[in-house]
Amino acid sequence: EVKLVESGGGLVQPGGSLRLSCATSGFTFTDYYMSWVRQPPGKALEWLGFIRNKANGYTTEYSASVKGRFTISRDNSQSILYLQMNTLRAEDSATYYCAREEVRGYFDYWGQGTTLTVSS
Amino acid sequence: DIKMTQSPSSMYASLGERVTITCKASQDINSYLSWFQQKPGKSPKTLIYRANRLVDGVPSRFSGSGSGQDYSLTISSLEYEDMGIYYCLQYDEFPLTFGAGTKLELK
Repeated sequence: EVKLVESGGGLVQPGGSLRLSCATSGFTFTDYYMSWVRQPPGKALEWLGFIRNKANGYTTEYSASVKGRFTISRDNSQSILYLQMNTLRAEDSATYYCAREEVRGYFDYWGQGTTLTVSS
Repeated sequence: DIKMTQSPSSMYASLGERVTITCKASQDINSYLSWFQQKPGKSPKTLIYRANRLVDGVPSRFSGSGSGQDYSLTISSLEYEDMGIYYCLQYDEFPLTFGAGTKLELK
């Protein structure tokens, strides 16, 4: 059974840092692109970025809103996806989802989400 | 960035009604468009990708169409379980961009 479980959310002060994790199981982690998507309370989904699979060199792409502040990485030995978030702002407050991309555009499995609140 | 203009932002519809939601991209996205459904408190679910490819297990009353800049999601006969928020996503260019969503409610 495929599972994606996010963790690491919480309350952080503006300017702070946090690392989210997405623990996966039930599939060959290195075969898949993995994405992070967030959703502020009551607002739309926002794609943050992804990390490609082994065949494509584990390279990354980011949205402009987080490029340079957020870093996506993966621990392929433990099948964990990470999102390192630095210089956090109030507008980063959201539920953060990890998602597996079966083929481009088809996100077949999602985590349950983890919530970040950035506030003093 | 490619802007996805989704309409309507909200709508009420009756059971059995045919429903259409549209997304217009700010440029040609070559059919690299997906549709998602999200229910309150839940993670999104992919319904359609590549504009018209129905995900396995999604009811056949859902269909997608379009090309170029203009795309639509149609529910042929609305059922109660279809209530929720629908989003389009373009993945032709980075960054991937979502539409603002369409909230579908029961009339």
